[in-house]
Amino acid sequence: SAVISQKPSRDICQRGTSLTIQCQVDSQVTMMFWYRQQPGQSLTLIATANQGSEATYESGFVIDKFPISRPNLTFSTLTVSNMSPEDSSIYLCSVEGSSREQFFGPGTRLTVL
Amino acid sequence: GQNIDQPTEMTATEGAIVQINCTYQTSGFNGLFWYQQHAGEAPTFLSYNVLDGLEEKGRFSSFLSRSKGYSYLLLKELQMKDSASYLCAVRDMGGQNFVFGPGTRLSVLP
Repeated sequence: SAVISQKPSRDICQRGTSLTIQCQVDSQVTMMFWYRQQPGQSLTLIATANQGSEATYESGFVIDKFPISRPNLTFSTLTVSNMSPEDSSIYLCSVEGSSREQFFGPGTRLTVL
Repeated sequence: GQNIDQPTEMTATEGAIVQINCTYQTSGFNGLFWYQQHAGEAPTFLSYNVLDGLEEKGRFSSFLSRSKGYSYLLLKELQMKDSASYLCAVRDMGGQNFVFGPGTRLSVLP
């Protein structure tokens, strides 16, 4: 399984600001995924990020709100833009394993005031 | 679209066996996955079924019936550390869309 790290682990932000979350993997992977887990809820896929192409966003998520970068095969960033309290959530990145399972990073806990 | 259902909460006793059910309705199917998530932590992969039948892995087993859109996770010899949320997830035919169920919060009591 891959070792995945995320920065920051948590942050408290003001309404209207933006936060960029970094995800680093210890091996080269084709696809990286970004999920959101709101308090007491399950995981919702935000987008899939392939190196060298635009991210693919799921219904309800748009690039202007959640821009994603994928500059190489071991790194990705997710930006939460113009934040509101409704964006308070845990944001997780993940990669695919050999059986197509997902391995998750430790998550970034975001609180928007 | 995809719809996945699980019981919200379950309680069981240490040493017992518990079965967590998952039903799904999907436009395609390319595998069903079970994850364990302890409070405040990221989900960790438990098991994967793509064909009908039972997959056993130590104290954990997972069963799949594709014709019924049904899976269960069986936990044997329950331990206190098994108290966690258990998430069922389905991957669609395209292979990129990964949909998680609402999760079942299991409490193991002494």
